[in-house]
Amino acid sequence: EPEVTQTPSHQVTQMGQEVILRCVPISNHLYFYWYRQILGQKVEFLVSFYNNEISEKSEIFDDQFSVERPDGSNFTLKIRSTKLEDSAMYFCASSGDGAYGYTFGSGTRLTVV
Amino acid sequence: QKEVEQNSGPLSVPEGAIASLNCTYSDRGSQSFFWYRQYSGKSPELIMSIYSNGDKEDGRFTAQLNKASQYVSLLIRDSQPSDSATYLCAVAYSGSARQLTFGSGTQLTVLP
Repeated sequence: EPEVTQTPSHQVTQMGQEVILRCVPISNHLYFYWYRQILGQKVEFLVSFYNNEISEKSEIFDDQFSVERPDGSNFTLKIRSTKLEDSAMYFCASSGDGAYGYTFGSGTRLTVV
Repeated sequence: QKEVEQNSGPLSVPEGAIASLNCTYSDRGSQSFFWYRQYSGKSPELIMSIYSNGDKEDGRFTAQLNKASQYVSLLIRDSQPSDSATYLCAVAYSGSARQLTFGSGTQLTVLP
């Protein structure tokens, strides 16, 4: 069964540092997403991406965040200057059609110290 | 503010019983509804989607949607210990088909 692959599985970074979280969506999917889940809290939408541009973003997705599809397979989330409150599980997801639910990747646990 | 509310539980049922999970949502114009299962420390896994009023069955799972009451539920028949997980209700609100709003989840424990 096709999978969404995320790397790394766990990243520890110092406050103020830049991090890049990587994702390889399912190959024939056209819509890509990032969500996050702070420990013990809800899964929260960050951003959706289609046709090489952001289609929707939440209030969480401020100027510190950016997304990119640098080639035909990867989809990245960059946090420019990490804060302690950015510590969370970050999930990448993709779908062939957003109306039919997503497939989530296994997640990257980001710990900011 | 678009909200999705779930009973946080925990909900415990004996093995073989029916587990009933409930969810309400705030936007009457919502069109797409999903149930995800999340094991501790893992990512959400899609188990059911429903778009029309009524019931939708898939194996041991039945999703029920009542748009007039803004209510969606999930029934798990013949519950197994492996069903023990947190069940997340997610809603795609009108005008935002690409964005899901999740509830806080209901923790289900199936006792052997």
